[in-house]
Amino acid sequence: DIQMTQSPSTLSASVGDRVTITCRASQSISTWLAWYQQKPGKAPILLIYKASSLEGGVPSRFSGSGSGTEFTLTISSLQPDDFATYYCQQYKDYSTFGQGTKVEIK
Amino acid sequence: EVQLVESGGGLVQPGRSLRLSCAASGFTFDDYAIHWVRQAPGKGLEWVSGISWISGTTGYADSVKGRFTISGDNAKNSLYLQMNSLRPEDTALYYCAKSTHSGVWYPLDYWGQGTLVIVSS
Repeated sequence: DIQMTQSPSTLSASVGDRVTITCRASQSISTWLAWYQQKPGKAPILLIYKASSLEGGVPSRFSGSGSGTEFTLTISSLQPDDFATYYCQQYKDYSTFGQGTKVEIK
Repeated sequence: EVQLVESGGGLVQPGRSLRLSCAASGFTFDDYAIHWVRQAPGKGLEWVSGISWISGTTGYADSVKGRFTISGDNAKNSLYLQMNSLRPEDTALYYCAKSTHSGVWYPLDYWGQGTLVIVSS
C-alpha cells in the first residue's frame, strides 16, 4: 500500500503570506497526485490534479509541483478564504489520502 | 448541475449491517467512476471504495475489504455501499464522490454532503 505523509500538520500564517505544504509518498507515484481543500462542515474541493494541473475555477494563487515521491502545494498569497484543511491524494495504485494540513490564522 | 445525494446512514450496533445509497444527477452516470470516501469525526479523509462502470473494476481499502461491497444501478443513476460486520471504527461521515474519468483511479471532482454512520451499542 502507498502511504502519504503531509507536513506540517498545522500551519499558522497571515493573509498575504506565501504558504507551502509538502506531501511525500512511500513509493513513486509519478505525477498521479491531487490536492483538495476542505472547510469545516463542507465536502472537499478539488484544487490540483496530476500534481500541477489547476482545476477549473480554482484561483491561480494555488499551484502544485513535484513528481515521484515529493510534492508541494503552494498558495502564493494567502487570502481569508484559504484558511482550511488541505489534503493530498495519490491515485496511482488504489487511492490514499494524506492526513491533512490545517492552515490557521496566525 | 452535478449533484450527489447520500442517504442511508444512522445508528447501528456493532456487527450489524447498513446499506448506503448515493443518487447522482447532472452528468452521464455510466461515463464516470464513483467512489466512497469517509471521514471519522474530527479526523482526515479515508478512501473506502470505488467502481468503474465501463471496466467493472472495483477497489476497496484494506480496512473494509471483505466486509463492504460497492455496487450500482445505472438505470437509477445510483451507487450503493453494503456495509456488513460493522465496527465502531467505521463510524464516520460517508461521502459519495465522482471521478474525473471513467477509470477508477482518478481524482474526485464532485462530492456529496455525506451521510453519517454511527456504530455503537
